[in-house]
Amino acid sequence: GESVGLHLPTLSVQEGDNSIINCAYSNSASDYFIWYKQESGKGPQFIIDIRSNMDKRQGQRVTVLLNKTVKHLSLQIAATQPGDSAVYFCAEKPGGYNKLIFGAGTRLAVHP
Amino acid sequence: NAGVTQTPKFQVLKTGQSMTLQCAQDMNHEYMSWYRQDPGMGLRLIHYSVGAGITDQGEVPNGYNVSRSTTEDFPLRLLSAAPSQTSVYFCASSYDRDQPQHFGDGTRLSIL
Repeated sequence: GESVGLHLPTLSVQEGDNSIINCAYSNSASDYFIWYKQESGKGPQFIIDIRSNMDKRQGQRVTVLLNKTVKHLSLQIAATQPGDSAVYFCAEKPGGYNKLIFGAGTRLAVHP
Repeated sequence: NAGVTQTPKFQVLKTGQSMTLQCAQDMNHEYMSWYRQDPGMGLRLIHYSVGAGITDQGEVPNGYNVSRSTTEDFPLRLLSAAPSQTSVYFCASSYDRDQPQHFGDGTRLSIL
């Protein structure tokens, strides 16, 4: 069935290091992918998205990489800061469908 | 510009009671959706709407009703609350299905 999963449920990093959060997706027909950040008590906040016709997209301190061959998505955060501590979700949209499928989330803990 | 507004923020119900969770957006977005988030799980789609007068079921629609009489509002109705519906409910909107969804801050619902 359709699913979006994450390799690591919890990721601990030192402040200033780079973080990499990974996500595997199962639907090869998915054409749109999004990363969200969720802080405690708040709704998910959009970070960055990428379409299936791209393999890399950069934002401010964040980069998303898409490998369609192995159905893998990653979020790279440069110079991780304490304010980056949150749960990160990846989501995929199967082509032709009107819905997003979310993964279970990865908690990022940034230590001083 | 308030974005996506959900009310109430917290609610406690008894089994069998009914209630409506409100969601409003002021961004003139066509696409709106409702998710539930349970501990240790990602967001699961309950219902969604691609425009006023059009709604469809998501992954977990049983026990919930929706309607979309205006572009701005997308209420979620619990017909007869059950303990299994204890969850955090998020409403989201986007310009269309291939654009990032913007989330509200959620309604925390407990069914006793």
